Amino acid sequence: GAGVSQSPSNKVTEKGKDVELRCDPISGHTALYWYRQRLGQGLEFLIYFQGNSAPDKSGLPSDRFSAERTGGSVSTLTIQRTQQEDSAVYLCASKGRVVTGELFFGEGSRLTVL
Amino acid sequence: DQQVKQNSPSLSVQEGRISILNCDYTNSMFDYFLWYKKYPAEGPTFLISISSIKDKNEDGRFTVFLNKSAKHLSLHIVPSQPGDSAVYFCAASYSGSARQLTFGSGTQLTVLP
Repeated sequence: GAGVSQSPSNKVTEKGKDVELRCDPISGHTALYWYRQRLGQGLEFLIYFQGNSAPDKSGLPSDRFSAERTGGSVSTLTIQRTQQEDSAVYLCASKGRVVTGELFFGEGSRLTVL
Repeated sequence: DQQVKQNSPSLSVQEGRISILNCDYTNSMFDYFLWYKKYPAEGPTFLISISSIKDKNEDGRFTVFLNKSAKHLSLHIVPSQPGDSAVYFCAASYSGSARQLTFGSGTQLTVLP
């Protein structure tokens, strides 16, 4: 499709399990972002990829969180040993080359940790 | 420390009237501001933006006003329509941040028919 695609749309897991969330950005977009939104809160920046540069991981809340972007396209966000406070909607966004261009968001992956 | 604040979690207006959504920021380095709209179970979608060199930007029914001295921006929707009912997020960025967006917590707008 033409938009940002995320999978799974919903994931329920048990505390302590690992999860992987996938993002397929808009073709040709060089920048990719991960945000999360916890219930009743705003969007919280997690990590940013730009082309072949080293990612900006400054928003990752703990070392249980990691992300990679293979071939400058698809990205995977991995959460190890999930905790209940990890429950949130994880949103991926991509952006084209315009410096001030807006982000295009996917529909998000809703993670529930029991 | 919330750098972008939306102090009103919800707002209800009558169809046809003006909706005014407010946003305050604390980081004086922010030089680009955006509003996003989010429907349930969908990702946020871009609505309108403004650069810090301007104080107003208009796009159809949507106008964003920026008051740099007060570190305040607002989104005006005139006239409001029931389809405008959504959560509105204010976001800000600056050139040194790789254009990462810092978001407010959102305001749920309900337009009553």
